Amino acid sequence: NAGVMQNPRHLVRRRGQEARLRCSPMKGHSHVYWYRQLPEEGLKFMVYLQKENIIDESGMPKERFSAEFPKEGPSILRIQQVVRGDSAAYFCASSLTGYYNEQFFGPGTRLTVL
Amino acid sequence: SQQGEEDPQALSIQEGENATMNCSYKTSINNLQWYRQNSGRGLVHLILIRSNEREKHSGRLRVTLDTSKKSSSLLITASRAADTASYFCATDADSGGGADGLTFGKGTHLIIQP
Repeated sequence: NAGVMQNPRHLVRRRGQEARLRCSPMKGHSHVYWYRQLPEEGLKFMVYLQKENIIDESGMPKERFSAEFPKEGPSILRIQQVVRGDSAAYFCASSLTGYYNEQFFGPGTRLTVL
Repeated sequence: SQQGEEDPQALSIQEGENATMNCSYKTSINNLQWYRQNSGRGLVHLILIRSNEREKHSGRLRVTLDTSKKSSSLLITASRAADTASYFCATDADSGGGADGLTFGKGTHLIIQP
């Protein structure tokens, strides 16, 4: 049973470009979470999604960031017009059910903005 | 939002010794989880302890939870070089079924000297 998969593992963008990060949850999991880890810091929650629904986006920056989890295909975290401060590791996690359940993490996507 | 804070920030011990890491948090929780992150890799879930539990064991890991002091400890017994990693605690807030994102601390970096 494959774990949570994220791609790409490393992404380099120039300021002003768009970044698309993909996350495929574990088989059978319909709950996806995105976290951001800035250098030398812990992980910070960004958004929680179920299929076709955003459940909680309280951790998402108000501008330039969006997330989706379509009926078919992976969850996508999209960052428009990237800035240097967006450079970070972005982790996706999935769980079998929501509330208080164990979350399984992917290997992360390391975004570098030049 | 609340934040788990690990202590110490860094810990270096000899192989075979026990390693103890602590985590404090601010608000009521449903559960507390410990994760390990090897350098440059994704997070690995270690153990989850619910708010009504006081102690939990898993192999060489022992986790305690004191909800009155809002703190938890992770003990790794008979440490091995492979235990070298960063260890994070993550709390799931008791927000009446609201956000399902975990709140992570900055982590304790554990180094096991051979």
